[in-house]
Amino acid sequence: EVQLVESGGGLVQPGGSLRLSCAASGFTLSNYWMHWVRQGPGKGLVWVARIDSDGSSTTYADSVKGRFTISRDNAKNTLFLQMDSLRDEDTAVYFCARLYGYNRSPYSYYMDVWGEGTTVTVSS
Amino acid sequence: QMTQSPSSLSAYVGDRVTITCRASQSIANFLNWYQQKPGKAPKLLIYAASSLQTGVSSRFSGSGSGPDFTLTISSLQPDDFATYHCQQTYATPWTFGQGTKVEIK
Repeated sequence: EVQLVESGGGLVQPGGSLRLSCAASGFTLSNYWMHWVRQGPGKGLVWVARIDSDGSSTTYADSVKGRFTISRDNAKNTLFLQMDSLRDEDTAVYFCARLYGYNRSPYSYYMDVWGEGTTVTVSS
Repeated sequence: QMTQSPSSLSAYVGDRVTITCRASQSIANFLNWYQQKPGKAPKLLIYAASSLQTGVSSRFSGSGSGPDFTLTISSLQPDDFATYHCQQTYATPWTFGQGTKVEIK
């Protein structure tokens, strides 16, 4: 079964750090670009970061640039999100998602496999 | 920016339900729809504005080519009560609508 399982969430004080993990099973992680998406309490989905298949290229939302780092270990089929200098507004459920390209256009993508999320709470 | 409307709605089982997503700029047809149930991961329903994902019920359909896109549920079933999100993949950063919660009337 194709599956993504996030872990590493928890309660952290403002200014603190957390490292989220996303374990992939049922498919070869190295074949896919991967994303992190978050959802604040009662809010919509917000894209956070993405990484290409071999980890050589990363992109971040402006709100997390310079504070968060996305990485991957394809040998261990695991995606990571290192979150530093955390703020109250980073409180959210964090989802990892697999990216699928459905044709050759550079815009033709959707997120076809998602984990169930891990909760990060930033509070003093 | 993607603006969904309404933000919530109440409907009866069997009703026809329509949710709209408006793009603030041209996104061609690079628009996806997801369904999310409480505490669960989003699930892809529609991609490229109108293509039904494999395994998704045919009572779901999508239309539009910008700036307005529509998700329609032809006959609402008990399993369809959830929150629905649109997402554009044309402009970076990719953005989602704020979600539409569909509740039982």
